[in-house]
Amino acid sequence: QQQVKQSPQSLIVQKGGISIINCAYENTAFDYFPWYQQFPGKGPALLIAIRPDVSEKKEGRFTISFNKSAKQFSLHIMDSQPGDSATYFCAAPSGGYQKVTFGTGTKLQVIP
Amino acid sequence: DADVTQTPRNRITKTGKRIMLECSQTKGHDRMYWYRQDPGLGLRLIYYSFDVKDINKGEISDGYSVSRQAQAKFSLSLESAIPNQTALYFCATSVREGQDTQYFGPGTRLTVL
Repeated sequence: QQQVKQSPQSLIVQKGGISIINCAYENTAFDYFPWYQQFPGKGPALLIAIRPDVSEKKEGRFTISFNKSAKQFSLHIMDSQPGDSATYFCAAPSGGYQKVTFGTGTKLQVIP
Repeated sequence: DADVTQTPRNRITKTGKRIMLECSQTKGHDRMYWYRQDPGLGLRLIYYSFDVKDINKGEISDGYSVSRQAQAKFSLSLESAIPNQTALYFCATSVREGQDTQYFGPGTRLTVL
């Protein structure tokens, strides 16, 4: 069973700052690492995902950095905005690639 | 209209009662999942189904059962609810297995007194 360790559990960042969330995984034969964003009262929704052919992927203010040798990946939110306040989940493939295991979540609060 | 819907959105029940949570999707996806979310524990997989005839246990299936009535419908039942099943429950769908986007419903908040 894949284990995914996510940190920190909560994060407070000032508007315009950089938010960084880290995840570590145990083992995977394939590399697909998504990040999901969840607003209060809503279900999680895919934010950004990275596949094995790159070590970094950027979409707007959101960047995933992937370190395969260390089995770690992180989400960077540049120029954080109050609208980014949400809970973020990382995930990694598990169960022979039939499903994903989610991290424990990071509650981000961006204060003005 | 939402692609993945869940009913009810909120439910309060008593210990020992049977509860059914329903999920419907219009995305045409074969794969459906049930998760529960607890503070500090993230999303944990209860059951998943790759088609109507294929149902699999997740990491925390004890105390739960499911039914896949059709490609578009996947129900989760608590045969005899207990207080530690108080949680937020999410249904999700995907086109393929693990390395694909999962589309979540809005969730059902269940409270067992």
